[in-house]
Amino acid sequence: DAGITQSPRHKVTETGTPVTLRCHQTENHRYMYWYRQDPGHGLRLIHYSYGVKDTDKGEVSDGYSVSRSKTEDFLLTLESATSSQTSVYFCAISEGGTDANYGYTFGSGTRLTVV
Amino acid sequence: GQNIDQPTEMTATEGAIVQINCTYQTSGFNGLFWYQQHAGEAPTFLSYNVLDGLEEKGRFSSFLSRSKGYSYLLLKELQMKDSASYLCAAPNQAGTALIFGKGTTLSVSS
Repeated sequence: DAGITQSPRHKVTETGTPVTLRCHQTENHRYMYWYRQDPGHGLRLIHYSYGVKDTDKGEVSDGYSVSRSKTEDFLLTLESATSSQTSVYFCAISEGGTDANYGYTFGSGTRLTVV
Repeated sequence: GQNIDQPTEMTATEGAIVQINCTYQTSGFNGLFWYQQHAGEAPTFLSYNVLDGLEEKGRFSSFLSRSKGYSYLLLKELQMKDSASYLCAAPNQAGTALIFGKGTTLSVSS
């Protein structure tokens, strides 16, 4: 859906460099999430946000940090990229979090390769 | 703790019916979601169950039994375009985010 965009769509970076992925929404949804998806592991939660400057860790947060200074933007930073962080990264937004009748809307994903 | 299990792969033929099972273990429960993901694309929302029973949406139905920690997604009149991964998801313990199973890859053949 046009209400959520991720950038860049593809990126190749070198080990040890910092990388920032951006998620931008035009839906004014409160909740935003970063997941990574790897073969054999499925979607795993990295970090999430429940409002401006309100963030929390997910199950695989080591090596990642996030920031949300505006409702519409949620940034994911790899401070020093490693090969194990090669993955497809999905951002998702939700109006009601995990509450009934609300589902997530996912962005198109960012394919990150760390060489 | 929280654990969501679903089969890795399934195959079926066009026009058939297939049932994709999901079992979950959560300390709290606030619903179970199903998502569809075509290869190379983002997941899209299919259905949500919070009460026991069957929810029907066209060719797709989802069932939930909270006492058994069990759900299934039923796909009828299969079409080639139904070839995709189907993800089962439930809220984490704090109810703040969804935890996903590893997904079931369904291949539909003619």
